[in-house]
Amino acid sequence: AQTVTQSQPEMSVQEAETVTLSCTYDTSENNYYLFWYKQPPSRQMILVIRQEAYKQQNATENRFSVNFQKAAKSFSLKISDSQLGDTAMYFCAFISFTSGTYKYIFGTGTRLKVLA
Amino acid sequence: NAGVMQNPRHLVRRRGQEARLRCSPMKGHSHVYWYRQLPEEGLKFMVYLQKENIIDESGMPKERFSAEFPKEGPSILRIQQVVRGDSAAYFCASSPVGGSTDTQYFGPGTRLTVL
Repeated sequence: AQTVTQSQPEMSVQEAETVTLSCTYDTSENNYYLFWYKQPPSRQMILVIRQEAYKQQNATENRFSVNFQKAAKSFSLKISDSQLGDTAMYFCAFISFTSGTYKYIFGTGTRLKVLA
Repeated sequence: NAGVMQNPRHLVRRRGQEARLRCSPMKGHSHVYWYRQLPEEGLKFMVYLQKENIIDESGMPKERFSAEFPKEGPSILRIQQVVRGDSAAYFCASSPVGGSTDTQYFGPGTRLTVL
């Protein structure tokens, strides 16, 4: 089965510090994309970063970066210099080919709280 | 270029009524996906549509739920005879092409409350 696992239901971090959110997934595909989405209290789903599986270089977007370990099927998100506005639910997602089509599979989320 | 638009943002229905949720994809996007998010859970895939076609409805309940994406106009997710368990946030996403390397862009969601 194609699954995405986020093992940390909740995390907290002091403002300006660094935090890492973990994500593992299971797939038999060779070429796919992985994503991290942020969902603030407004409930809007905001794309934070994406990683192409065929690229060995880890994706980076400003203060957000990933540690992509393809063999281990691990895709963690690192947030540097945490800001109060980073407080949100973070969902890891993966495109899965099931039932004949490609669709997103989401993890259950990690609730991140940035403390002042 | 406007993003994915959904309306209404909030919808309140009494048990037994019908709920109709609308989604306008981003300009140039012909693929639409609907997801449901129950409280404190992640998003769960419901249905995938292209213009005038349902491609995959494997995540949608067989009864009371239907979806369409007509040639003209927004995609519609319809829930008939709503029950309290239908209370959730419903998100629509769109993409330019479907595939393993596709990126979906999400709308702001519709929060359905069934009284």
